[in-house]
This record gives sequence, C-alpha cells and structure tokens, in this order.
Amino acid sequence: QSVLTQPPSASGSPGQSVTISCTGSSSDVGAYEHVSWYRQHPDKAPTLLMYDVTTRPSGVPDRFSGSKSGNTASLTVSGLQAEDEGVYFCSSYAGSYTWLFGGGTKLTVL
Amino acid sequence: QVQLVQSGAEVKKPGASVKVSCKASGYTFTNYAMAWLRQAPGQGPEWLGWLSTHNNNTFYARKVQDRVSMTSDTSTNTAFLDLRGLKSDDTATYYCARIWGGYQFDLWGQGTLVTVSS
Repeated sequence: QSVLTQPPSASGSPGQSVTISCTGSSSDVGAYEHVSWYRQHPDKAPTLLMYDVTTRPSGVPDRFSGSKSGNTASLTVSGLQAEDEGVYFCSSYAGSYTWLFGGGTKLTVL
Repeated sequence: QVQLVQSGAEVKKPGASVKVSCKASGYTFTNYAMAWLRQAPGQGPEWLGWLSTHNNNTFYARKVQDRVSMTSDTSTNTAFLDLRGLKSDDTATYYCARIWGGYQFDLWGQGTLVTVSS
C-alpha cells in the first residue's frame, strides 16, 4: 500500500551510524525538495525529525542528517543511542496538495 | 501547551459513518492548515486530505474523496473528520496533524482507533 519504499528494518550498535533509505519516483521524491522524516514509538503518534530533505526542527540533535539523490532520500543517524530506537517513516510532497508516506523502517540499537 | 487532542476510540459496523474530532490548543488555530491521516496496523501513514482552518477549503485523497468530509469550528478550535460508508479496510488509527511550513506535519494528535466490524 505504501508508495515510498523503505527497508523494513535497520540496526546498529551504540555509537555507530545507520542510514535509512526512502525510494519514490520522479513525481514525488525526485520532483520536490519536500521530503520529511518522522519517528514513531509504539502506540504513539509520529514526531517530525527532518523536513525539506536536510533541515532539522529545533530540538532534534545534529546526529540526525538528511540527504537526497534522484528519487531516493536518506536519513542518517550518527552516534547511535538507545533512545533512537523506533519506527522511522519518510514522507514526500507529491504535488497537487498530496503527500505520500513510506511503510516504515524499524531501527534497533543492538 | 501546544497540542491536538482527539476524540476516543470508535467501533462501527460496515456501512456506518464515523466522526472524529481534533481540538487544538496553545496556538492560533486559523494560522495553520490541518491534515488527516490514518495508519493501519503495521503500515505507514496514509494521507487522507487537508483542511484550511482559515476558510474551510478542503482537498481530499482520491481514494476516499467520495466518502470523506473535513470541517472545522473556529469557535472551539476543533477540526472534524467524517467518513461515510465504512468498510473493514477503513479500520485504522486516524490522526489529525498540523501542517507547518506548507509541507510537513509538525504536531500530531494522539490518534483515534476506528474499528469497522460486523
């Protein structure tokens, strides 16, 4: 059902870096600089981590960084900490006032 | 405190309608559009549409456009989602979310579980 493709899982040890990808098409991720990332904990609402591909909202640590190449956006978490665990979703503006989301990637800190 | 508080869980039969509310507080309600999304278990969010709280203009996802209505009441700073003709695959947690900067959702409600079952 999800239009943006994410790997179902990712993991890393504390202190390591992990990158989560989000692949769309030339009509969404490739067309707009409006990719955002959210993290969700069990039974909680998502929270905004990154927007406009590379911009962190205030309060989000600079261990989080975003990038985009072609139709694929990526979120990198550096210096992994236990609190980084959760499910990460990407979202892209798709034109005509519509948005798409990915299926989510469960990040585990080993 | 800046927050969105949604109404409680609902259980509906197929073909029925459901109305979910989302009360905003801590910010100027009409300064931000409101989106509605839903999330089925184990899946990513699905965008359903958005509402201008300033003039009640709406834009709906094609998948639900024939069954959905989004409105707001500025006297109570509350947004509403109406979904008609419920089907079993409408079972999901429904979220309202503030649209910030035009393209991202920076404030979410706590979610409302809607279960459609005969």
